[in-house]
Amino acid sequence: GDSVTQMEGPVTLSEEAFLTINCTYTATGYPSLFWYVQYPGEGLQLLLKATKADDKGSNKGFEATYRKETTSFHLEKGSVQVSDSAVYFCALRGNSGGYQKVTFGIGTKLQVIP
Amino acid sequence: DVKVTQSSRYLVKRTGEKVFLECVQDMDHENMFWYRQDPGLGLRLIYFSYDVKMKEKGDIPEGYSVSREKKERFSLILESASTNQTSMYLCASSFGGVRGAVEAFFGQGTRLTVV
Repeated sequence: GDSVTQMEGPVTLSEEAFLTINCTYTATGYPSLFWYVQYPGEGLQLLLKATKADDKGSNKGFEATYRKETTSFHLEKGSVQVSDSAVYFCALRGNSGGYQKVTFGIGTKLQVIP
Repeated sequence: DVKVTQSSRYLVKRTGEKVFLECVQDMDHENMFWYRQDPGLGLRLIYFSYDVKMKEKGDIPEGYSVSREKKERFSLILESASTNQTSMYLCASSFGGVRGAVEAFFGQGTRLTVV
């Protein structure tokens, strides 16, 4: 079945540092890929998405590129802020069958210190 | 804006009680999902529904059932609550097929404690 692998963390960075959170996936066909963010005490919000190979999703300074050859969708940001402290989930939506189940990674906790 | 609303933010129930968690979405989505979120385990799919009265088991359906009598509402039922069902429960919805955006939208979550 579909699966998503990401590091659990926590990842601790200083403000303005460069962020990379790795995400790799296993799926049949051509899934859509997502990064969601969860701030403390809240539900998940979509951060960015990519629906086909070589697409780049971007939002709020975060970027991720859909790499089919390496089955990866790594999240990057050039300069993190304290307000980016949250849990980040990589996810995929399969496209086999008559419905589209969404599978999540374990979530990576990011802590940014001033 | 898409809105997915879960009926409670916090619930405390006793072992053996029957518990209903309600979720309503206002975007005419075909798909609806129930996940539970636990530290170190991420989000695990309990059940999902791709149409009214249709349901499919997810990865951890044991001890749960669901009901979808109307398109906008998806209920999660704990038939006899146990302490190991203490968790954060997240409801989500999305368009089905190739219609509309592909992402899922989430509610705020219900933190359930079973004592």
